[in-house]
Amino acid sequence: GAGVSQSPSNKVTEKGKDVELRCDPISGHTALYWYRQSLGQGLEFLIYFQGNSAPDKSGLPSDRFSAERTGGSVSTLTIQRTQQEDSAVYLCASSLSRVNGAFFGQGTRLTVV
Amino acid sequence: SQKIEQNSEALNIQEGKTATLTCNYTNYSPAYLQWYRQDPGRGPVFLLLIRENEKEKRKERLKVTFDTTLKQSLFHITASQPADSATYLCALSYNTDKLIFGTGTRLQVFP
Repeated sequence: GAGVSQSPSNKVTEKGKDVELRCDPISGHTALYWYRQSLGQGLEFLIYFQGNSAPDKSGLPSDRFSAERTGGSVSTLTIQRTQQEDSAVYLCASSLSRVNGAFFGQGTRLTVV
Repeated sequence: SQKIEQNSEALNIQEGKTATLTCNYTNYSPAYLQWYRQDPGRGPVFLLLIRENEKEKRKERLKVTFDTTLKQSLFHITASQPADSATYLCALSYNTDKLIFGTGTRLQVFP
């Protein structure tokens, strides 16, 4: 596709359940980012993939959060045993290089009830 | 750890005036500093990038300055329009492509 695609756009889950969020980056973009944004707040860095290098996981808030990027393309963010404080919009972005800026998807709005 | 500060209070200006938004950072200067626009319910949109060794960058009605001595970037929108109303975010990257964002400043341009 022409842009970054995220699915689902909305997800309501019960506390304690696991969820998977998907990101399809722009074809050819080697960098992929996941951020979390709570209502009225800024973007909280979660994890960053660059090509075949080991991902930078320094922003993951707990070991309930993990992410994969398969074949240097599609990425999945998994949250295990969801908690109410996990409710937020999860944004994915991809970039060709740091001199080109990052392109964001529309986000997945996660609500944990 | 690195801290990025943007004015959390909304900036309200009249149409036609120049809007100036500020991004301050602590510690060492980034290699690249970027500005994004975010509308409600949407992901951020990339606007401009400025490198550490650049003082100023322009794109149409937008201008970004980068002062590594003050550890500050200013983002200007000249001849502002109501359609410019949005939240503006600055983002920094250092020796990798990892991007860290500020909290953003909401701009409201009224007719």
